[in-house]
Amino acid sequence: DIVMTQSPDSLAVSLGERATITCKSSQSVLYTSNNNNYLAWYQQKPGQPPKLLIYWASTRESGVPDRFSGSGSGTDFTLTISSLQAEDVAVYYCQQYYSTQWTFGQGTKVDIK
Amino acid sequence: QVQLVQSGAEVKKPGSSVKVSCKASGATFSNYAISWVRQAPGQGLDWMGGIIPIFGTSNYAQKFQGRVTITADTSTSTAYMELSSLRSEDTAVYYCARAHYDSQRLPYYMDVWGKGTTVTVSS
Repeated sequence: DIVMTQSPDSLAVSLGERATITCKSSQSVLYTSNNNNYLAWYQQKPGQPPKLLIYWASTRESGVPDRFSGSGSGTDFTLTISSLQAEDVAVYYCQQYYSTQWTFGQGTKVDIK
Repeated sequence: QVQLVQSGAEVKKPGSSVKVSCKASGATFSNYAISWVRQAPGQGLDWMGGIIPIFGTSNYAQKFQGRVTITADTSTSTAYMELSSLRSEDTAVYYCARAHYDSQRLPYYMDVWGKGTTVTVSS
């Protein structure tokens, strides 16, 4: 299975400041025939199901604020929250769908400092 | 607006089975795949498997192979996840989620999620 490793496990950022989460995959999730990275990011707030934020590593889902952005390719990816808002407190997960055996990162908890 | 409505909470004995349903409304059920993801208390997300209802083809995570069966009934736009030989470690919230798929029938990213079904396994 492709192992997804996120860092850090948790971080605390001041309101209005940048939050950066990284996700590394144990093998490339770039499908060279279409040049797409098979990588998604989800946000999960307590007591709620996950919510899709980003897919194809950098495409923002409709309705997601533009302070959320995804970048990276191959095995190294980043989710950036450019200006943290109170409502962004949540756990964030990356997920690969390159392999038929989907896997998630362990999650990164984001809090307010 | 597409919604996935899951069945209610279950309490099961060790060794028994549970079957959770996921009914889609507001969109053409057959145009999507349905995946199942579980989350143990205080833990992360764990993909269990999925199905493309219109083709009836399913794919399972190796760790659940042999214990999980995912099916779908296109006439009622409902998907099902059955987990057998339950043990205490299967206590979790079970989510269904909609996924798009491509021309090779490979599903990708989950854009609509059900609210989850809590399954408690206890003697």
